[in-house]
Formats: sequence, structure tokens, C-alpha cells
Amino acid sequence: EAGVTQFPSHSVIEKGQTVTLRCDPISGHDNLYWYRRVMGKEIKFLLHFVKESKQDESGMPNNRFLAERTGGTYSTLKVQPAELEDSGVYFCASSQGTAGGIPGELFFGEGSRLTVL
Amino acid sequence: GQSLEQPSEVTAVEGAIVQINCTYQTSGFYGLSWYQQHDGGAPTFLSYNALDGLEETGRFSSFLSRSDSYGYLLLQELQMKDSASYFCAVLSGYSTLTFGKGTMLLVSP
Repeated sequence: EAGVTQFPSHSVIEKGQTVTLRCDPISGHDNLYWYRRVMGKEIKFLLHFVKESKQDESGMPNNRFLAERTGGTYSTLKVQPAELEDSGVYFCASSQGTAGGIPGELFFGEGSRLTVL
Repeated sequence: GQSLEQPSEVTAVEGAIVQINCTYQTSGFYGLSWYQQHDGGAPTFLSYNALDGLEETGRFSSFLSRSDSYGYLLLQELQMKDSASYFCAVLSGYSTLTFGKGTMLLVSP
């Protein structure tokens, strides 16, 4: 079974440019999450999809960030325009719905490292 | 809001036992999870405690005291490969995990 995959693994862009990160969750997982880790800090929650609906987007820092999950499969996170403080590692995670799985278990991807110059 | 506190770094030698503590303050609480992350790779799930007490999985055990808002991860028979960052995370609300800042464990020969 394929795990959570993220693309790109690393992106270097200049301030003001746009970047789109993609996440493919584990097949059949209804829950999809985006997290971000800035060096030395916590893995910070950004938002949570249940299928194609945004369940919780309280962690999104501002309106420069746009997440979508069309059709309830893969998800994209767009940053436009990027700022220096957006640098960090963006993790995607998925989990089964209420029908199964351990409540506190998320399956993470390897992350997309974003560097804004 | 949510806040979690755990030590930033812990060092130990191979074969030893180490305990990583986590205290939390949350507006809602369902359970406490622990994750391991090697060299910035994918965080991987270790354990989940919803009820008070100790859960054992091989060399790793996790403990929770809901009344004290406290938990810990216990690693026994430490191996070099256990050098990693360890995160506690609180499950609250609808499937939302809030993570601490992580504890870097350094295991030396």
C-alpha cells in the first residue's frame, strides 16, 4: 500500500512568487491534514479536510494560503504571494474516517521543504 | 487554546532508559499521541493514550494522567537508531492533533 506522497520535496522561490504543493493521501483515507514546521518549532496545524470539505482551517495563517481538495482525493496548498516567513517544511498527513483506525494516528508524508529567498 | 510543554533535548547512552515528559493545557482533550521523527523526515506514529495508565509496545511505553494533564514516553534498552525527535500531540475537537515543539533525543555509544 502506498503511503502519503508529497510533491515537490524541495522548492526554492523568491519572495512574491507562487508555489503550489501537492499531497496524495493514502487511498481511502477521508481525513487529510496540512501541517507546517519552522526550524526548531512545533509542527503547527494548518487545516483539516474531511473528504472534499474543510473541517477546520483555523491554523491557516492568512489569505495568502489556499488549500483545496477537489473530489476528495489529492490536495493542493498554494502560497501566493510567498513571503520570507513562509519558509519551512509543509507536511501532509491522512487518516481513516470515524469507521476505523486509531484516533490519534496520522500517516505523514515526507514533507515539502519550502525556502523563500 | 492549546499548549504543550516537553524538554527540548535529552541525552542518554545505549542500553539506558529515558523518559520524555509532556504536560499540556487544552480546551478539549480526547487523548495523547507520541510521534518519532528522524532527521526531518516523516513523523511516524508511536502510541496513543486515551485513558489513564501505561501502554506498552515493545521497548516503548507511554503513560497518561488526565487529572494531571501529563504524559510521558518511556524508551528502554536504547539503541543508536532511537536518536530522533519525539513529539507529544493532543487530540482534541474533531480529529485535530496539536503538536508540541519536540524533544531531540541523542543516544551515544
